[in-house]
Parts: sequence; C-alpha cells; structure tokens
Amino acid sequence: KAGVTQTPRYLIKTRGQQVTLSCSPISGHRSVSWYQQTPGQGLQFLFEYFSETQRNKGNFPGRFSGRQFSNSRSEMNVSTLELGDSALYLCASSLGGGPTGETQYFGPGTRLLVL
Amino acid sequence: AQSVTQLGSHVSVSEGALVLLRCNYSSSVPPYLFWYVQYPNQGLQLLLKYTTGATLVKGINGFEAEFKKSETSFHLTKPSAHMSDAAEYFCAVSAWGNQFYFGTGTSLTVIP
Repeated sequence: KAGVTQTPRYLIKTRGQQVTLSCSPISGHRSVSWYQQTPGQGLQFLFEYFSETQRNKGNFPGRFSGRQFSNSRSEMNVSTLELGDSALYLCASSLGGGPTGETQYFGPGTRLLVL
Repeated sequence: AQSVTQLGSHVSVSEGALVLLRCNYSSSVPPYLFWYVQYPNQGLQLLLKYTTGATLVKGINGFEAEFKKSETSFHLTKPSAHMSDAAEYFCAVSAWGNQFYFGTGTSLTVIP
C-alpha cells in the first residue's frame, strides 16, 4: 500500500502571499490530520478532518484553514503568510473509525520557507 | 487535558550501549501512548504504541517501552544502540478524538 504523500515537498514564498499544501492519505483512511513542526515549538496540531468535516482544531489563527475532499485527500491553506509560518508541515492519516488510539501514519512533510 | 514531557532534549550513547529515552505523560483519561522516530528531512515513523493490555510493548528495530501507570511514564529503551538509531524521537499521547499531543522530542546521538 502506498504511504501518505504530500505535495509539494519544498516551497518558498514571500510575506503576505498565500499557500496551499496537499495531502493524499493511505488508501482507505478517512481521517487526515495536519501538524506544524518548528524547532522552537515542536509538533503542534493544526486540525483534523474526517469525512470532509473538520473534527478537531488546534490553537492556530484563522489564517490557517483546511478542507477534505470526498476521496479523503486534504488541503491546507495559509493566507497572508508571516515569517513565523516557516516550518515543516506534516500530514498524517488514520482509519478514523475509532474514537481514539488509532495509529497515525505520517507523510514526508512540506517544508515551507517564508521570506 | 493531555500533555507529554520528554526529559532530555539531547541524549548521547556509545554504540552498543543501552538507549533510554524518557517520557512522562499527563492525561485525564486512560491514555494511548506512542513513540515515533524522525530521520532528517523525513516524516515520523511509528516505533511502537500502547493501547491496552500488556504494559511492555515491543516495537520495530529492537525498541521497547513499558507503560507504568503509577509513574505516568512510557520510557523507550533499546538494549544495544546502533549507528542507524541516530534520529529524533517523539513521544505522543492520544486521548479522546484523533488529536495527538507530542513531546518536544529527544535527539539521539550514537557515538562510534
């Protein structure tokens, strides 16, 4: 089975621009979660989507948004980019059927650099 | 509320020595605990997880972890370190919902 794929792998943007990142989960997985990883803050949860609905949300400003399509693929969007948004953005997928404790499988990440 | 504390942001061991990476958690409900490893420029790979049942969990690459409820700990060990074990290790707790709470990570260096 193919793993979680994320595109693009690397991205350079300037302040004020917007960016869209894409994540394709493992086949059959219906839950997709997004994380931001930075050296200072570590891994922080952004949001989780299940069956096209946002099920959980972390503590990030409204500039960070996401969506999920009927085929479970997910996108996240960051508008009005700030220098502090430079990070590795990780996507993780899981089956999504259980209430908790499911293993999350991570993609390789998209490294975003904001200049 | 759930949280994870990893003691020691950097750990160095000699090749062949015991690896011990510490993780303490806080959870208001029975926790599900995970250890992930991250190699440079890669995503996170699951090493092992604890859900219910046996408290000693064996994972990939010779790693194991023991869930100790009384100590709220889930330390990761490996009897003999290998050069290929050098990486960043993350402990995580999952409670209700699919939200993971990660520790700040421990960078493991293996000295030849």
